[in-house]
Amino acid sequence: QQQVKQSPQSLIVQKGGIPIINCAYENTAFDYFPWYQQFPGKGPALLIAIRPDVSEKKEGRFTISFNKSAKQFSLHIMDSQPGDSATYFCAASTGSNYQLIWGAGTKLIIKP
Amino acid sequence: SQTIHQWPATLVQPVGSPLSLECTVEGTSNPNLYWYRQAAGRGLQLLFYSVGIGQISSEVPQNLSASRPQDRQFILSSKKLLLSDSGFYLCAWTGGSNYGYTFGSGTRLTVV
Repeated sequence: QQQVKQSPQSLIVQKGGIPIINCAYENTAFDYFPWYQQFPGKGPALLIAIRPDVSEKKEGRFTISFNKSAKQFSLHIMDSQPGDSATYFCAASTGSNYQLIWGAGTKLIIKP
Repeated sequence: SQTIHQWPATLVQPVGSPLSLECTVEGTSNPNLYWYRQAAGRGLQLLFYSVGIGQISSEVPQNLSASRPQDRQFILSSKKLLLSDSGFYLCAWTGGSNYGYTFGSGTRLTVV
């Protein structure tokens, strides 16, 4: 019940396409859902996060879609660029303890 | 502003040698601190977390240990390294209004 299941494991998209990465969870107590971006040799960096009181959040070319009833959330990258090639992690936590439960990660490659 | 420092960036150690990795956080007090390990091309494995000085929780049984001698200092240690200890070690902090994890730049440890 504490798991966050992330898919796909890897994804290759042409430049300008819209990669979509999906995550699913079981614990309805989760109330914070961040996405992290990690480049090779670097630590993950917070990209965008959402709380369950909204169904969508946009920051630049990155959008989180959240479906509370389905217990799923996804990351969309609009007008993807080769510089977006990285590993993306979804996560979830309850506000009470800051403990993040991590998805397994998606390695995204944007082809020029 | 808050910053996190982690060192060294890379380390090559022989099997059986000791290990000490250090992480410090600036600009905040009483942070939650975390040590993660990431194998090549894999996800994030939580090793230890600490919610206060001297309070360490271990998530994975192994030959590693952690200590928090000061509020903003977190140390990862081993008395005798194994080949399987090789990996990318990441320190992170959260707390206060910072729900998202802020990661350090990581230490690439190779045990030979």
